[in-house]
Amino acid sequence: DTGVSQNPRHKITKRGQNVTFRCDPISEHNRLYWYRQTLGQGPEFLTYFQNEAQLEKSRLLSDRFSAERPKGSFSTLEIQRTEQGDSAMYLCASRSARPPTNEKLFFGSGTQLSVL
Amino acid sequence: GQSLEQPSEVTAVEGAIVQINCTYQTSGFYGLSWYQQHDGGAPTFLSYNALDGLEETGRFSSFLSRSDSYGYLLLQELQMKDSASYFCAVRGISSGSARQLTFGSGTQLTVLP
Repeated sequence: DTGVSQNPRHKITKRGQNVTFRCDPISEHNRLYWYRQTLGQGPEFLTYFQNEAQLEKSRLLSDRFSAERPKGSFSTLEIQRTEQGDSAMYLCASRSARPPTNEKLFFGSGTQLSVL
Repeated sequence: GQSLEQPSEVTAVEGAIVQINCTYQTSGFYGLSWYQQHDGGAPTFLSYNALDGLEETGRFSSFLSRSDSYGYLLLQELQMKDSASYFCAVRGISSGSARQLTFGSGTQLTVLP
């Protein structure tokens, strides 16, 4: 278990630029999540993959956000035309489908995005 | 949808016992989870209650009462390293919510010497 890996750890960008984040989940986990977290708040769900299929997407997610998980392994989250309101910590998490740990989410350390 | 409420802050002294409450509104859920997050760190799983009652894991215990839409996390023998944010979370059973874990806004626990 090497854990969930995210990169970069920090990203500073100018308003209007595109950014892409990468997540490498725990290898045997077929379920992958992206969350967004701002200071003093709990993680807010963005999207969910089961293997390579994106099965759930938050209604709060604008069309500037897109996520992929080719081949059901790593995932990328892209934000186009960034806005200052996009500044947040972007967290990736994965979980197994097999009991008894199937209700346990393993989080990466996140990518802190700052939009100037 | 789901909504969860927690106190925003709790303060206690080292060695004490503290209880962090979580009340929720949901049309149905698989169970109640608790996560710990230190400043600048990733949320880490603490406990999960699928059934009513108490689950104990070392110094931490978690409780669920479905009939009261209520749960709590109990931390005993508090240590300075327990200072962190604690989140309760549920995974709903209705379509559109079964695949996501919905988190409360978190309780910031401060442990004083």
